[in-house]
Amino acid sequence: DSGVTQTPKHLITATGQRVTLRCSPRSGDLSVYWYQQSLDQGLQFLIQYYNGEERAKGNILERFSAQQFPDLHSELNLSSLELGDSALYFCASSALAGYNEQFFGPGTRLTVL
Amino acid sequence: GENVEQHPSTLSVQEGDSAVIKCTYSDSASNYFPWYKQELGKRPQLIIDIRSNVGEKKDQRIAVTLNKTAKHFSLHITETQPEDSAVYFCAASMRSGGYQKVTFGTGTKLQVIP
Repeated sequence: DSGVTQTPKHLITATGQRVTLRCSPRSGDLSVYWYQQSLDQGLQFLIQYYNGEERAKGNILERFSAQQFPDLHSELNLSSLELGDSALYFCASSALAGYNEQFFGPGTRLTVL
Repeated sequence: GENVEQHPSTLSVQEGDSAVIKCTYSDSASNYFPWYKQELGKRPQLIIDIRSNVGEKKDQRIAVTLNKTAKHFSLHITETQPEDSAVYFCAASMRSGGYQKVTFGTGTKLQVIP
């Protein structure tokens, strides 16, 4: 167990819908990262937050948005869903100081039908 | 920005043989290089890492080497076992404005044949 939690574990929805994925980082970690992993693909970096502020953006679609709340949990919002958005979405967190290892959550598997 | 290339994309070895995965990075400011292992359907997990002030690090059957001049680093797995079969990701990381910026490679699918 990495200490990073993600909910829900699985999500099945229809095209055109909107969903929200939730991530709670390890206690004390200020940075949260979101990644998308499609079938047999690598980790596509989406966005990073640090202490509530957006710090880096990757290949995140305009239909996707995220935020990090004062209690440091983060949510990834996916709207106008398309079949191609079906993927495993990982959240990871890291500490400011010390080793810069990222700790990954168990992921949310999104299926768009 | 940083660009990390990883090779090969797939690798098959016989059990007991060694496996080597190579990565190159572009930004000399990167100073931390972790390797993650992802088993099928599971989360990526750190298996070994190296900082830029070290040339080599070993942990049992796993070792990582870093060549800062050439901007490349490699993962070496000796005496491979079937449970080593997984996807391995390299990453290059740097501190930027008090937070960490991480770029992952595209992954190597390792298959260890019993």
